[in-house]
Parts: sequence; C-alpha cells; structure tokens
Amino acid sequence: EDKVVQSPLSLVVHEGDTVTLNCSYEVTNFRSLLWYKQEKKAPTFLFMLTSSGIEKKSGRLSSILDKKELFSILNITATQTGDSAIYLCAVVSAGNMLTFGGGTRLMVKP
Amino acid sequence: EPEVTQTPSHQVTQMGQEVILRCVPISNHLYFYWYRQILGQKVEFLVSFYNNEISEKSEIFDDQFSVERPDGSNFTLKIRSTKLEDSAMYFCASSSDRITYEQYFGPGTRLTVT
Repeated sequence: EDKVVQSPLSLVVHEGDTVTLNCSYEVTNFRSLLWYKQEKKAPTFLFMLTSSGIEKKSGRLSSILDKKELFSILNITATQTGDSAIYLCAVVSAGNMLTFGGGTRLMVKP
Repeated sequence: EPEVTQTPSHQVTQMGQEVILRCVPISNHLYFYWYRQILGQKVEFLVSFYNNEISEKSEIFDDQFSVERPDGSNFTLKIRSTKLEDSAMYFCASSSDRITYEQYFGPGTRLTVT
C-alpha cells in the first residue's frame, strides 16, 4: 500500500523564523511529488518535483526531492502570519492518482 | 487566472438519497479527478477520468459512485444512495495534457448526510 508520511504534525513559530517541513514516501510507480497549501478549503498548488536534487523556488518557499532516500522537504524562510496553513505533500502514481500525507499544520505567531 | 469551480458549496441530504456534485474544470484541461476529505482525515483519491473514461479508481469508489462528463465543460460525481459515512468534503481537480501531474483543486463541496 502506498504511504506518505509528513512531519512534524504541527509547528508553532514566530514571524521571521525559518521552517522545514518533511515528507517521506513509499510508493510504487512513483511519478512525481507535489506540495500544496491548504488554508480554509481547497489545496493550493505550490510545487511539483520530479527530479532528484533540483531545488524549486518561489519567493520565500523552496523545495527539493531526494528519490534515493524517498523524501522531500519544504522550506519557508522569513515566515509571515499569512503562511499559517496546513501544508500537504502528495505523491503521484499510476493513473495520476495522488496519495496524500496527513499534513503539517503550521502556525506563525506575530 | 483560470480556476476549478464546484457547486454547490454545501449540500445536505438524507441517507439513501442520490446526490450529484458538479465541477467545472479549467477549460483546456483534459484530466479530471475527484477526491474526498472526511473531517480531520487525509485527502483521499476517488477516481481519475480521461478521454471519457475512468483511468483509475480507489477502493472507496464502489458501485454507489459514478462520474460523468455530460457536456464539454462539466464533470459530475454521483452518489446513488448516500450513507452517513459519505459525509465529507469532496474536491474536484483537473490537470492539463502538457503537465498531467500538476493537479489544480476546486474549493470543494461539503456533503452532509443526515
């Protein structure tokens, strides 16, 4: 059975801190790994990672994939209160099926 | 920016009733998906749909569920006879044929079965 595990489950930081969120996976027919941000309802797409060792960057967010060790990290630098959300990791397998992790709940305090 | 839309935002139904959840995927996307999230639990895959047929479905997607693309814009999920455990947020997603893995989600329909 495909499995995606995220850690930590939750995190409380102060504005300006840097955070690292972890995602490990055991998936047959791995195609790609996606990161999403979920605030109130719909997961909002952040990154798609397919190749090992290539960092994807968008503003203060960045992510990298290690296909040998089967994990990915999402970094957020200089956190802001607007970064408070649940961050979801999902792995794409056959049929473009996404298997989601349980998420990391990030709270950024002013 | 193009987005996936879903209607209704909230649906309340009685056990045993049929419900149809509606989605309008991003207009040039060709791959469509349904996921659900029971309150406090993970987002779970239900079904993927391409070229007017189901590509992949999970164990959750049993005979009570069906999907349809009735016209060029809508994508629907039907639950024939709802059960209490079908209460969840249902998300529709779509992806293009160029970057098929990058799935964009709609705002969801909260289904409450009483």
